[in-house]
Amino acid sequence: QVQLVQSGAEVKKPGASVKVSCKATGYSFRSYGISWVRQAPGQGPEWMGWISTYNGETNYAQKFQGRVTMTTDTSTGTAYMELMGLRSDDTAVYFCARDTRVLSGTQFLGVYFDFWGQGTLVTVSS
Amino acid sequence: DIQMTQSPSSLSASVGDRVTITCRASQSISSFLNWYQQKPGRAPKLLIYASSNLQSGVPSRFSGSGSGTDFTLTISGLQREDFASYFCQQSYTTVTFGQGTKLEI
Repeated sequence: QVQLVQSGAEVKKPGASVKVSCKATGYSFRSYGISWVRQAPGQGPEWMGWISTYNGETNYAQKFQGRVTMTTDTSTGTAYMELMGLRSDDTAVYFCARDTRVLSGTQFLGVYFDFWGQGTLVTVSS
Repeated sequence: DIQMTQSPSSLSASVGDRVTITCRASQSISSFLNWYQQKPGRAPKLLIYASSNLQSGVPSRFSGSGSGTDFTLTISGLQREDFASYFCQQSYTTVTFGQGTKLEI
């Protein structure tokens, strides 16, 4: 069965970096992209960006441009998200999610996230 | 970015009720709208994609409709396990989520 398993909780000081991993099993890793989504306490989810597991192409949300780097290791089926220059408002649960393109024939109808990791709590505190 | 506004932000209901949650986009997003359910401490779960398509394994009491800027998620015959938070998500341009609707007993 499809599973995305993320690395464990992290506590970081302001200004530091964090790197979260997401290991995918149960499907062909290179057939689906991976998106990263974070959720601050009591808030709605916030999309951070996407990486193609096929060719490494990335698309980052403008808010995180210059501060986030997404990579993959196709040999192990693992995706990574590194966020730099951490601030207290980066405290959140970070999720990876399998990114599925909706197609009707050749017509593109959007993207949805059908499998998610369990989440990684990143706490930024001095 | 396209803003997604959900209403209500919270909703009280009883087992067996029919409830409707609304999501409005700040501009037209065609049918590029998905719905998720989230329980405390868990990842979101996909319910509906492309406005009205039921994800595999999701009970048929969940349904979605709408296009353009206005969308609805309907749950017919609430079950105890449906009490959770619900989020809409658009992918017409990048990706944005609504702020959520908390469904409470």
